[in-house]
Parts: sequence; C-alpha cells; structure tokens
Amino acid sequence: GAVVSQHPSRVICKSGTSVKIECRSLDFQATTMFWYRQFPKQSLMLMATSNEGSKATYEQGVEKDKFLINHASLTLSTLTVTSAHPEDSSFYICSAHGETQYFGPGTRLLVL
Amino acid sequence: RKEVEQDPGPFNVPEGATVAFNCTYSNSASQSFFWYRQDCRKEPKLLMSVYSSGNEDGRFTAQLNRASQYISLLIRDSKLSDSATYLCKGGANNLFFGTGTRLTVIP
Repeated sequence: GAVVSQHPSRVICKSGTSVKIECRSLDFQATTMFWYRQFPKQSLMLMATSNEGSKATYEQGVEKDKFLINHASLTLSTLTVTSAHPEDSSFYICSAHGETQYFGPGTRLLVL
Repeated sequence: RKEVEQDPGPFNVPEGATVAFNCTYSNSASQSFFWYRQDCRKEPKLLMSVYSSGNEDGRFTAQLNRASQYISLLIRDSKLSDSATYLCKGGANNLFFGTGTRLTVIP
C-alpha cells in the first residue's frame, strides 16, 4: 500500500533553534498534504494544509510565521518550526491523500 | 464548536465484553467518516470506514446516523490486543479527529 515517510522520527533541540521536518509520499504523488500536532493524551489537531506550488492554509490559532510549510514537489512537504520553545514539544504527524488519507509515522520533537 | 466530538473515556472493560464508542459531528454536510486506532506513541491506523448502511468487519461494526449526526463503533468479544485509543474522523473535508477514546481491555 501507499506509504508516507517522515524524517526525522525524533529530534531534540535547544530553545530558539529551528527544526525542519520532512514528509514524503513514497509511491504516489500528493498535491495536498496535511500537518497535524498531537500533545500527550490529546487528539490530533490539524495545523495546516500544504498545497503543492502554493501557500499553505493554516487552521485558526496556528501561527504561519512560526510553522513554515513548503510543498515544493508532489512528493515532499516540509514543516519548519522556527525559534522553537519548550511548549512546541509535541508529536507532529503528516498525511497525504492518495486513495485515502495516509499518515506518516510521526516526528517527536522535544525542545529543551 | 468542534467539528467532531468524542467521549475521551477511559473505558476499562473485561476480556470478552462488548464496548461501544460514539462521536458526534457538527457539520451536517459532512460526507465521509472513519474510525482509527492509535497505539501509544504511534501514528493513527485506519480501522474502518463508516457508511450509512453500516459496516461490519469481524468483531467491529461501524454505523452512521445522519439524523442525529453521530457515528458509532461497536467492538464485540473484546481482546487484550484491542487496548488502544480509538479516534473518529470526519468534519469539513474529512480532516478532523475527535479527541479519541482510550480503551483498556482487562484480563
């Protein structure tokens, strides 16, 4: 079946640094990808919709200048958490639409 | 109001029990609904789609009630391996998850 990969699987960084997370659709092209965030014991919250070749669409309350999304090709979307702070520590999951919605394995971010 | 709402539980049931979860949705135009299973520290995995006519897969049955705007998941003969968090998904463009319901099946 279709596979979506994410890299890195986990990252630890210092407060104030930026972290880039990659999401790839491995065997299909995805004009649209989605980024979710999940805090401990909470549900997945949709952050933004990543559109190939155009600007991302952000959900209410998500800062577009803090969470930079780039979708430069049909198989790759990146999420950059800029000037990360401890409260950004979370599980970030991307998904892509093929025949259905396929999820990546997630990236666990810890900001010290 | 949230697109999809779900009782977070937790549900603690003995092996062999039948357990049911519900989700309500606010957007009457929503077309598609799904149930996902999420194990600790993993991504959600699609469990089953939800159709108006009902959908059964082994011990699992999913149903959609459009009049009352809710979907349900029934698990019969619970197994220890069913312990997980179950999330419903629907809403606008089928992108929104419920809070998830934590199920623990006890020996």
